[in-house]
Amino acid sequence: GAGVSQTPSNKVTEKGKYVELRCDPISGHTALYWYRQSLGQGPEFLIYFQGTGAADDSGLPNDRFFAVRPEGSVSTLKIQRTERGDSAVYLCASSPGDSGNTIYFGEGSWLTVV
Amino acid sequence: AQKVTQAQTEISVVEKEDVTLDCVYETRDTTYYLFWYKQPPSGELVFLIRRNSFDEQNEISGRYSWNFQKSTSSFNFTITASQVVDSAVYFCALSYNNNDMRFGAGTRLTVKP
Repeated sequence: GAGVSQTPSNKVTEKGKYVELRCDPISGHTALYWYRQSLGQGPEFLIYFQGTGAADDSGLPNDRFFAVRPEGSVSTLKIQRTERGDSAVYLCASSPGDSGNTIYFGEGSWLTVV
Repeated sequence: AQKVTQAQTEISVVEKEDVTLDCVYETRDTTYYLFWYKQPPSGELVFLIRRNSFDEQNEISGRYSWNFQKSTSSFNFTITASQVVDSAVYFCALSYNNNDMRFGAGTRLTVKP
């Protein structure tokens, strides 16, 4: 597609449920990033993929959060046993993958845990 | 530590005023990249500019200009003759270690008519 596509755009879930958020990067981009943005805050780094592998997952807050990118394109962010504090916008971005490339963001997935 | 600090949380100006948004960064890397992004009320982060650590030349693009000073680890952004449409949250970001990228907390700019 022309840009980074994220689905769903909005998700409301009950505390304790499992959630999957999907990201389809710009075609040909090898680097893919997940960030989390809470109200009034900057994007908080979660994980970065180069191809199929996680190059840096140091931002994942705990073991309830996991992300995959099995074929080096689409990525899924998975959150187990959701908590109210997980409510935020989850942003996906991609870049061509060379050092210092500009990253381009999707519109985000708004997650609300009730 | 790799870190970006935007000390100004909110700035409010009247249309046609000039405004400067500050950004200070920390990194141990000798090769790194600095960015500014704009987040309008619609929410999507929009890329504005990218500079590498070896190029300290200031840049001007229309009403926007950027001042990169390695000596003070700063990459400040100035909007000249601000307009209401400039109202948004602006983020400074640092890319290092081949592609890791970290963002500052952002500065909310409000331009009043």
